[in-house]
Amino acid sequence: GDSVTQTEGLVTLTEGLPVMLNCTYQTIYSNPFLFWYVQHLNESPRLLLKSFTDNKRTEHQGFHATLHKSSSSFHLQKSSAQLSDSALYYCALFFGGSNAKLTFGKGTKLSVKS
Amino acid sequence: ETAVFQTPNYHVTQVGNEVSFNCKQTLGHDTMYWYKQDSKKLLKIMFSYNNKQLIVNETVPRRFSPQSSDKAHLNLRIKSVEPEDSAVYLCASSRRGRYTLYFGAGTRLSVL
Repeated sequence: GDSVTQTEGLVTLTEGLPVMLNCTYQTIYSNPFLFWYVQHLNESPRLLLKSFTDNKRTEHQGFHATLHKSSSSFHLQKSSAQLSDSALYYCALFFGGSNAKLTFGKGTKLSVKS
Repeated sequence: ETAVFQTPNYHVTQVGNEVSFNCKQTLGHDTMYWYKQDSKKLLKIMFSYNNKQLIVNETVPRRFSPQSSDKAHLNLRIKSVEPEDSAVYLCASSRRGRYTLYFGAGTRLSVL
């Protein structure tokens, strides 16, 4: 069935280093919608990025991701990590049909240290 | 700016009790959801409603029942809580045909 797989567990980085959080997906639909949500401590998840277009880079708040249907991937990247980027990041897949819903990956916790 | 409002913020109860959680959105959206976030931070959809009609009902225990009076409100009732129901329950909304979800602050349930 449809599913999302992310970098597991905790990713620890030093401030200033690049961020790369992996996300791959499986779906029977040819037009998936992919999302990255971010959840800071004691907050609720909020949208960071989304994409519906193959091979087109999407950017927001210094983060970027490109949907690659050929490899079923939607990796999240940032050139230089900041302390404030420490949070839980979810990759999510929307698939349509009669039971349309957003399915989240297990989440990747990013910890940025000075 | 909060536009999806959940009450209560916290609820502590004992096994076997009934609880109800409320959610209201002021975004004018027509689709609302309940998600459960467990202690491992897994986010799983429970229900979704579109214009008061149930459109997604994941495999959740029958003691869970959603209730919608209009498209701006979606409540969740748990008839007889179990310890495994301890979690954060997140309400969300979206516009039909748009798949960006806006989440409320969540209701944290602790079952003793």
